[in-house]
Amino acid sequence: EAGVTQSPTHLIKTRGQQATLRCSPISGHTSVYWYQQALGLGLQFLLWYDEGEERNRGNFPPRFSGRQFPNYSSELNVNALELEDSALYLCASSLYNQPQHFGDGTRLSIL
Amino acid sequence: GENVEQHPSTLSVQEGDSAVIKCTYSDSASNYFPWYKQELGKRPQLIIDIRSNVGEKKDQRIAVTLNKTAKHFSLHITETQPEDSAVYFCAASIGGGADGLTFGKGTHLIIQP
Repeated sequence: EAGVTQSPTHLIKTRGQQATLRCSPISGHTSVYWYQQALGLGLQFLLWYDEGEERNRGNFPPRFSGRQFPNYSSELNVNALELEDSALYLCASSLYNQPQHFGDGTRLSIL
Repeated sequence: GENVEQHPSTLSVQEGDSAVIKCTYSDSASNYFPWYKQELGKRPQLIIDIRSNVGEKKDQRIAVTLNKTAKHFSLHITETQPEDSAVYFCAASIGGGADGLTFGKGTHLIIQP
């Protein structure tokens, strides 16, 4: 069974640009979660999508947004990139109310 | 919102000894507590989890205990091996698993040969 897959592996942007990160969940999983893992800050919850709807978001500004598609894949969009957005962005998927399984992440670097 | 504190930040133990990592949480509504292991450059992997209706759970060399009254939970690893070296994260959720997780800042476990 394929795990959670994320693309791209690395993404380099400059300040003010927009970034789009993609996630394909484990087959059959309907929930997708996004987390930011910045150096020294641990993992911080960004967004939760289930059945195509945004169910909850963490303490991040509105320039962090996303969506979930009918096939349950998801994308995370970050607008007006700032230097502090440099981090590893992890996607996780689960069946509702079941453990979350993570992908390998997208390393976003802001120059 | 929920806040999870994790201690220690670094733990060094001799191979074969036991390791204990402790976490406290602030929201009494939290009811799901997973533990993840993250090796350098790899994805976090779930190693064990516990729900609030259970006080203890064990899986081979790994066990987790939960004290709801004190709002703390702990990870116990017995007979540590070199492959146990990694960063371990505790987390808590109020949604029984169906919500975003609030993570501790991690414990770097070093197994000395």
